[in-house]
Amino acid sequence: DIQMTQSPSFLSASVGDRVTINCKASQNINKYLNWYQQKLGEAPKRLIYNTNNLQTGIPSRFSGSGSGTDYTLTISSLQPEDFATYFCLQHNSFPNTFGAGTKLELK
Amino acid sequence: EVQLVETGGGLVQPGKSLKLTCATSGFTFSTAWMHWVRQSPEKRLEWIARIKDKSNNYATDYVESVKGRFTISRDDSKSSVYLQMNSLKEEDTATYYCTVATAYWGQGVMVTVSS
Repeated sequence: DIQMTQSPSFLSASVGDRVTINCKASQNINKYLNWYQQKLGEAPKRLIYNTNNLQTGIPSRFSGSGSGTDYTLTISSLQPEDFATYFCLQHNSFPNTFGAGTKLELK
Repeated sequence: EVQLVETGGGLVQPGKSLKLTCATSGFTFSTAWMHWVRQSPEKRLEWIARIKDKSNNYATDYVESVKGRFTISRDDSKSSVYLQMNSLKEEDTATYYCTVATAYWGQGVMVTVSS
């Protein structure tokens, strides 16, 4: 199985900050990398699919980049509603595998 | 609007069985590959099973941790996907989600395995 190493595990930031979250795959995943946001008591919500495609309805302050084994989610200017947990998912090969998550907290 | 609604969760003793149902609407179910994902109490996500569509012979795949114990199935006439869970273990305790196309998720259903 492909291992996804996500960093950091915790991130403390302020409204208006620019933040980045990283995922590193144990092998090339050919840009089949999605990013999800999860709030307490809710299902994960897809933000970005296939590295850099913004899901319909998601604000443009969210963006993704990467290739090969290294991928990044960037939030350009944090808004109050962005404080949540973020996960990456590789779906290049089954079983799809997730990163362990990044909890984004208000500083 | 795409909707997925999971039912069938609950408290069950180790070694027992449980069957989850995911009823869907708002998309062409018959051509969709359906998946089950679970999230542990520690919030770790694990993709556990998928079933392909008729054109792919309804082929199934499982993560190693559930292989031989869990069975995914579907009924295209009811736009529903199922997860039969046998020989449950305490480590199967989780919230179970059904998903389609990595994009749409149900609200999840809790399964607790405990004596």
